[in-house]
Amino acid sequence: DVKVTQSSRYLVKRTGEKVFLECVQDMDHENMFWYRQDPGLGLRLIYFSYDVKMKEKGDIPEGYSVSREKKERFSLILESASTNQTSMYLCASSPARNNYGYTFGSGTRLTVV
Amino acid sequence: DAKTTQPPSMDCAEGRAANLPCNHSTISGNEYVYWYRQIHSQGPQYIIHGLKNNETNEMASLIITEDRKSSTLILPHATLRDTAVYYCIVRYGSQGNLIFGKGTKLSVKP
Repeated sequence: DVKVTQSSRYLVKRTGEKVFLECVQDMDHENMFWYRQDPGLGLRLIYFSYDVKMKEKGDIPEGYSVSREKKERFSLILESASTNQTSMYLCASSPARNNYGYTFGSGTRLTVV
Repeated sequence: DAKTTQPPSMDCAEGRAANLPCNHSTISGNEYVYWYRQIHSQGPQYIIHGLKNNETNEMASLIITEDRKSSTLILPHATLRDTAVYYCIVRYGSQGNLIFGKGTKLSVKP
């Protein structure tokens, strides 16, 4: 079964900490994405990557950065976590040219205290 | 911004067909209509997509109006496990990013 795996299901971090959210896919997909999901706001795109070492800003990149050193891994970095970054974070991947959309991971629920 | 409009919530009786509407009046010729659903505490799951013609797979049917300004997702025999938030998304070709709106919360009741 093809998978997008997010390293943690639940995470609690302190304000000001540097936080790494990891995402790994085993489908040899070129494209990878990070979303956050908040009640009443739906899913919002943070960053995406179409290839190794490439990254593009999504709709809400402020306060985040990403790293794509290997094709299968896409990391989301919170340089200095803040309470307003408490959210559900979802990773997704897709082939470069794909009519079937994305495969999502199960999400990481991050709480910043 | 999402280019689709969906009702915030709907109810459906178990075993009956669930018909979920979506308006996408500004859709362009190269844009596909995608449907995803998200069951509580899980990531979104692909259901079906289409361009002009109606589509059917093992999960659902997608009916797109002739002018392509609206569509309906049909779950032919809804079960309790179909309770989820359903997202209708307009996407440019096979390369466009998925922009999620707020979706429709479907509650299937016994």
